[in-house]
Amino acid sequence: DSGVTQTPKHLITATGQRVTLRCSPRSGDLSVYWYQQSLDQGLQFLIQYYNGEERAKGNILERFSAQQFPDLHSELNLSSLELGDSALYFCASSPRPERYTQYFGPGTRLTVL
Amino acid sequence: SQQGEEDPQALSIQEGENATMNCSYKTSINNLQWYRQNSGRGLVHLILIRSNEREKHSGRLRVTLDTSKKSSSLLITASRAADTASYFCATLEGGSQGNLIFGKGTKLSVKP
Repeated sequence: DSGVTQTPKHLITATGQRVTLRCSPRSGDLSVYWYQQSLDQGLQFLIQYYNGEERAKGNILERFSAQQFPDLHSELNLSSLELGDSALYFCASSPRPERYTQYFGPGTRLTVL
Repeated sequence: SQQGEEDPQALSIQEGENATMNCSYKTSINNLQWYRQNSGRGLVHLILIRSNEREKHSGRLRVTLDTSKKSSSLLITASRAADTASYFCATLEGGSQGNLIFGKGTKLSVKP
């Protein structure tokens, strides 16, 4: 158990819908990262937050957004969902950005029908 | 975009044998990390090696890093059926904000 929690574990929804994925980092970790894992793209970095502020952006679509709240939990919002958004979404946390081991949550499996 | 490539893509061995997986990357890095993923589950951190280190051990794991060749290897000794999983290398680029760049992984199958 990494100490990172993600909810829900599974999510099935329809195209065009909007969903919110939630992540609670390990106690004391200030940095949160979101990654997407799909069969064709592999593991891709989406976005990073540090202590409530956006720190870095990767291959995140404009239909996706995220935020980190004062209690350090984070949410990833996916809107106007398409079939191709079906993937495993992972959240990871570390004490601070740069140079630190990232601890991954169990992931949320999103299926868009 | 993918930073590196793991080699081989798939590896099948018998219990007790050693398994070696290789990873190549493209840019200068701060550190390189190896993760394990059991089918469809979360990633488990195995080991981190910094750019100024050449070799690191953790239990049955041995990682080497050759920054001149931009490559790393992960050796699992005396493998067990429970080691069956996908193994990914991930690099932290020099000057990055901390986001990891993952390779495509090696799928290891250890037969009892």
